Amino acid sequence: GAVVSQHPSRVICKSGTSVKIECRSLDFQATTMFWYRQFPKKSLMLMATSNEGSKATYEQGVEKDKFLINHASLTLSTLTVTSAHPEDSSFYICSARRGGSYNEQFFGPGTRLTVL
Amino acid sequence: DAKTTQPPSMDCAEGRAANLPCNHSTISGNEYVYWYRQIHSQGPQYIIHGLKNNETNEMASLIITEDRKSSTLILPHATLRDTAVYYCIVRATTSGTYKYIFGTGTRLKVLA
Repeated sequence: GAVVSQHPSRVICKSGTSVKIECRSLDFQATTMFWYRQFPKKSLMLMATSNEGSKATYEQGVEKDKFLINHASLTLSTLTVTSAHPEDSSFYICSARRGGSYNEQFFGPGTRLTVL
Repeated sequence: DAKTTQPPSMDCAEGRAANLPCNHSTISGNEYVYWYRQIHSQGPQYIIHGLKNNETNEMASLIITEDRKSSTLILPHATLRDTAVYYCIVRATTSGTYKYIFGTGTRLKVLA
């Protein structure tokens, strides 16, 4: 149990386009989902926290108009990178928390975004 | 938020126990210690977590010192597939969001 999927696993896009990444909890309801980005050989950096049905909370320095997060249901959160530029190229990872007495986060496999 | 300190890298011989230390000297009373690992280009995988008692599951054991200022993750019989970056995380509970703050982790290399 506790499987989290991401789609797509890899995406290449042109500069100036927008890219949407989906994060789904497959066998549990996620009260909270998190989005991270990771640069090569670096640690994960938390971008934002999203709770179902409410606005996401962004970490300091993360542009909310650049990285749009929607958490429309208890099993789906989406991250849209708007007007992507080469510096947005990164590995984006989501995680989901079951809530209740289960507080560990379960991570998706990640999405590698390359902006040309 | 409590921060963690881990050695940047460690080597371990295949079949031997791998002991990965973590310091979290500013941990507060209700914060848990979580361990995850990340194999190259994959999402982190949950290993184990604990509050103050030692914990064991099918993957590993977690030893937490009595003062809770440090912990050790033990992989009892390391295999080549255990080569990964291991992250020790103290779960922050700012505004009840339970967010994780990742440190730099320990890059464990299991040697044949």
